[in-house]
Amino acid sequence: DAGVTQSPTHLIKTRGQQVTLRCSPKSGHDTVSWYQQALGQGPQFIFQYYEEEERQRGNFPDRFSGHQFPNYSSELNVNALLLGDSALYLCASSRFGTEYSNQPQHFGDGTRLSIL
Amino acid sequence: KNEVEQSPQNLTAQEGEFITINCSYSVGISALHWLQQHPGGGIVSLFMLSSGKKKHGRLIATINIQEKHSSLHITASHPRDSAVYICAVEENSGTYKYIFGTGTRLKVLA
Repeated sequence: DAGVTQSPTHLIKTRGQQVTLRCSPKSGHDTVSWYQQALGQGPQFIFQYYEEEERQRGNFPDRFSGHQFPNYSSELNVNALLLGDSALYLCASSRFGTEYSNQPQHFGDGTRLSIL
Repeated sequence: KNEVEQSPQNLTAQEGEFITINCSYSVGISALHWLQQHPGGGIVSLFMLSSGKKKHGRLIATINIQEKHSSLHITASHPRDSAVYICAVEENSGTYKYIFGTGTRLKVLA
């Protein structure tokens, strides 16, 4: 049973470019959350997708957008990249529903994005 | 001030020592999570707590809801325990929107 998988593992971009990161949730999960983790910091919540819609959003600009597909996989898109976007981007999956609320999210290994 | 504070930020211990990592939070929560992050970046959930105490192997996690404080203890520490330990809280049950602390970097020396 595969856990949460993310691709690519590493990525180098330059300022102003656009990037797309991908996440496949754990089998049986239908909700995907994205986090940004700057070096030496804890992860910060970007947004969450359920039923192909953005369900919650953190304090991130509109340059950060996402998508969820019918198979529950998700993409994170970042436009007009800034140096400050350099970070580890983590995807986490879970199963929606109060009966599952006592279970933690499962995290992927992350995509390390470097902006030059 | 961050909503979730951890201490210490860095910790070096000798193999076999008893280790305590502390977490304080300032918001109302439905659950508190302890997670482990290895150098590669992947995060593993250790505990999910809403009250009391949980134990798994050499790891023990406690929470005091009234004092808004939690501790993670590692007994008989081992070099393989070296990792970053992160505390995170969930304000509303089932939202899966975690607020993370900055982590405690633990190094256990042989």
